[in-house]
Amino acid sequence: DAGVIQSPRHEVTEMGQEVTLRCKPISGHNSLFWYRQTMMRGLELLIYFNNNVPIDDSGMPEDRFSAKMPNASFSTLKIQPSEPRDSAVYFCASTAGDNRAYEQYFGPGTRLTVT
Amino acid sequence: GDSVTQMEGPVTLSEEAFLTINCTYTATGYPSLFWYVQYPGEGLQLLLKATKADDKGSNKGFEATYRKETTSFHLEKGSVQVSDSAVYFCALINAGNNRKLIWGLGTSLAVNP
Repeated sequence: DAGVIQSPRHEVTEMGQEVTLRCKPISGHNSLFWYRQTMMRGLELLIYFNNNVPIDDSGMPEDRFSAKMPNASFSTLKIQPSEPRDSAVYFCASTAGDNRAYEQYFGPGTRLTVT
Repeated sequence: GDSVTQMEGPVTLSEEAFLTINCTYTATGYPSLFWYVQYPGEGLQLLLKATKADDKGSNKGFEATYRKETTSFHLEKGSVQVSDSAVYFCALINAGNNRKLIWGLGTSLAVNP
């Protein structure tokens, strides 16, 4: 398996622009997680889906952030409008069934820079 | 709520030195405990786990023992290598948290030749 795939790997954009991050989980995994990592705040869970349904979005910082999972093989995280404080590395992770829910497989991340 | 506390880094060691990274947790019930590792420029990956008290997780020369009496899960390695340079994250999962891992802040390790 190719593992979790994220695109783009790097994104540089200007403040106010819309940013869309993409994730393809491992085939057969039924849970998907979006994280943000910064030096100041460490690793933060933004939202997670189970069977394509959002379960917990309490970590989404504000209305500028939205996430979708239209099917089992694709998810997006959108920021509109973007701000410099959104600069971070965004990770997507997926997991298999209940008895191995802890083993999250991470993608390589998208490094977002908002100027 | 549940939480994980790790020792602050960075930790800098010479090759072949002994490594300990402390991790303590606060949780109700009987959580499962994990160490994840993040190599430079990569995502996190599971290093080892322990699912009940007194279990010892091990992988790639790293070990950690689930100590319920001290609510600890310290990571150890007898002889580190330059290739072990990475950020190490302690985490727990509890039945009450559904599928959410509760993460420590991470400890950066640099091993010098």
